[in-house]
Amino acid sequence: EADIYQTPRYLVIGTGKKITLECSQTMGHDKMYWYQQDPGMELHLIHYSYGVNSTEKGDLSSESTVSRIRTEHFPLTLESARPSHTSQYLCASSEVFGSGYTFGSGTRLTVV
Amino acid sequence: QKEVEQDPGPLSVPEGAIVSLNCTYSNSAFQYFMWYRQYSRKGPELLMYTYSSGNKEDGRFTAQVDKSSKYISLFIRDSQPSDSATYLCAMRGGGSGNTPLVFGKGTRLSVIA
Repeated sequence: EADIYQTPRYLVIGTGKKITLECSQTMGHDKMYWYQQDPGMELHLIHYSYGVNSTEKGDLSSESTVSRIRTEHFPLTLESARPSHTSQYLCASSEVFGSGYTFGSGTRLTVV
Repeated sequence: QKEVEQDPGPLSVPEGAIVSLNCTYSNSAFQYFMWYRQYSRKGPELLMYTYSSGNKEDGRFTAQVDKSSKYISLFIRDSQPSDSATYLCAMRGGGSGNTPLVFGKGTRLSVIA
């Protein structure tokens, strides 16, 4: 079944740790995105990708990095987690830019 | 000024009511307009997709776009408790300007049985 998967669903981690949030999709979509979502706030774009070996920064990218070595895989890495990173992280993919996105269920991150 | 404005609510209505959800935007280049529904602890799912101005209907849902007023709406008829969710509007420009979607804050809707 075509879908987009995010792991882990929930993560509690200490300040200063390096973490990688995983995102994989089985639809063969070229475009992939990472958004941060806080309660009552807009989805903020962190990073996006046109395709393999192509990544771009969004509004909130300065403290994280991404890679796109395979079409189906788009991991997000925080080099040094801080309490301000506590949020929900949503991964999405689309066939073309701006068309309907398919979202994963999200990773809820808590940094203590 | 934010590109997309959406009242976060919460909005509470009785079962069977007609619900009206709205967004305004400032970027006249926006051409594609979408509504997403997000249940608690889930990712958003695409509900309606419209291009440029006009109406689109799908079952109990109707999306309207008024580009002259930079205003979009989602109407839900005969609302059900299962419609209780957060509804996010999203939009982007057209043409070759391939840019990601810009989202509103979302409106939290509760339909009371």
